[in-house]
Amino acid sequence: DQQVKQNSPSLSVQEGRISILNCDYTNSMFDYFLWYKKYPAEGPTFLISISSIKDKNEDGRFTVFLNKSAKHLSLHIVPSQPGDSAVYFCAANSGGGATNKLIFGTGTLLAVQP
Amino acid sequence: GAGVSQSPRYKVAKRGQDVALRCDPISGHVSLFWYQQALGQGPEFLTYFQNEAQLDKSGLPSDRFFAERPEGSVSTLKIQRTQQEDSAVYLCASSLDPGGTNNQPQHFGDGTRLSIL
Repeated sequence: DQQVKQNSPSLSVQEGRISILNCDYTNSMFDYFLWYKKYPAEGPTFLISISSIKDKNEDGRFTVFLNKSAKHLSLHIVPSQPGDSAVYFCAANSGGGATNKLIFGTGTLLAVQP
Repeated sequence: GAGVSQSPRYKVAKRGQDVALRCDPISGHVSLFWYQQALGQGPEFLTYFQNEAQLDKSGLPSDRFFAERPEGSVSTLKIQRTQQEDSAVYLCASSLDPGGTNNQPQHFGDGTRLSIL
């Protein structure tokens, strides 16, 4: 049972435009969400996170939106750059327990065309 | 370096051999995690350490998998009697977060790609 879902395996965007990556989750106990970026043959790199007490967090070109009622979050990249081309993973955990293990989605491959 | 370091980067073993994968976390990070990533999938949790204590090993797929972190820093993931289905990328991550509600991001190493022939 996939608790974190990224339903779009891939996304292609023109340089300078907005990239929107989506993620849905099923477990209402999740209260901390993260986005990771991964290049081939490298480990995931932390990008941005959001706590469930917020509905938006912004860091430069990256903004994450959280809609708890819909159990949905999205990552916006504006403006998109060719160097943003990578696989993006959404992850979630339920803080307050003994383990802050992350539950990952299957990833979305973003291609930013020059 | 300042990041999580894993070795070896690549490991090829014959079915039935034992392998050991090493992780050097970021200095001072209390929490250490191991994940397994199959091709085309997201990382899946294997086990978690808080300092030297293994607090969660619920993700280990079988008793052939064993992890340790004896001094609360370097960790080793050992797989005994390897099988072809063990072929995957094994990722190590560390964080400042000792557990609880003080969420801190996990920082990942580049992984060890294990191939079992």
